[in-house]
Amino acid sequence: GEQVEQRPPHLSVREGDSAIIICTYTDSATAYFSWYKQEAGAGLQLLMSVLSNVDRKEEQGLTVLLNKKDKRLSLNLTAAHPGDSAVYFCAVSSGGNYKPTFGKGTSLVVHP
Amino acid sequence: EAAVTQSPRNKVAVTGGKVTLSCNQTNNHNNMYWYRQDTGHGLRLIHYSYGAGSTEKGDIPDGYKASRPSQENFSLILELATPSQTSVYFCASGDGRLGRDTQYFGPGTRLLVL
Repeated sequence: GEQVEQRPPHLSVREGDSAIIICTYTDSATAYFSWYKQEAGAGLQLLMSVLSNVDRKEEQGLTVLLNKKDKRLSLNLTAAHPGDSAVYFCAVSSGGNYKPTFGKGTSLVVHP
Repeated sequence: EAAVTQSPRNKVAVTGGKVTLSCNQTNNHNNMYWYRQDTGHGLRLIHYSYGAGSTEKGDIPDGYKASRPSQENFSLILELATPSQTSVYFCASGDGRLGRDTQYFGPGTRLLVL
């Protein structure tokens, strides 16, 4: 089955810096990619989703890059601020399988 | 107003007891999911459902049952709770479009089995 590795598990940056989180996956049939944010004591909240025909998507200070050749998905928070401190998860699923596979999460701390 | 709600939010149970976790969604989504979240494991899928009356085993179904009596409600049942089932449980709903099942999560239930 699908295997997803997410790195780094912990990330600490200063306010205004970029924060990059990477996921690699194994199934070449993977077709749908999502990033979620989990704040302390809360459920996961969708940040952004992309289909496999998209290489790059930007929204509100977030950039998602998809490299299908290397089976790598990344999330870049440009100019991070303390409110971005949370745990971030990637999730991937193949076209015919509704079950997403989640990465193990990255705990991001943004220092003022 | 929250579209996915869970009850209870916190639960303390005894080993061998029966525990029922409830989830309600107002998104009118076909798919619903139960996950548990543990440090070092991320989110692991326990059971899921494609619609009322259907339940499917996820990746770690042992020790859990699920029930989907209606479009809106999905329950997770621990018939004989064990301390290893101490965790945070999340319910999610998804609209089930082929390959595009973005999920909407509830706030979670913290379960402690003594």
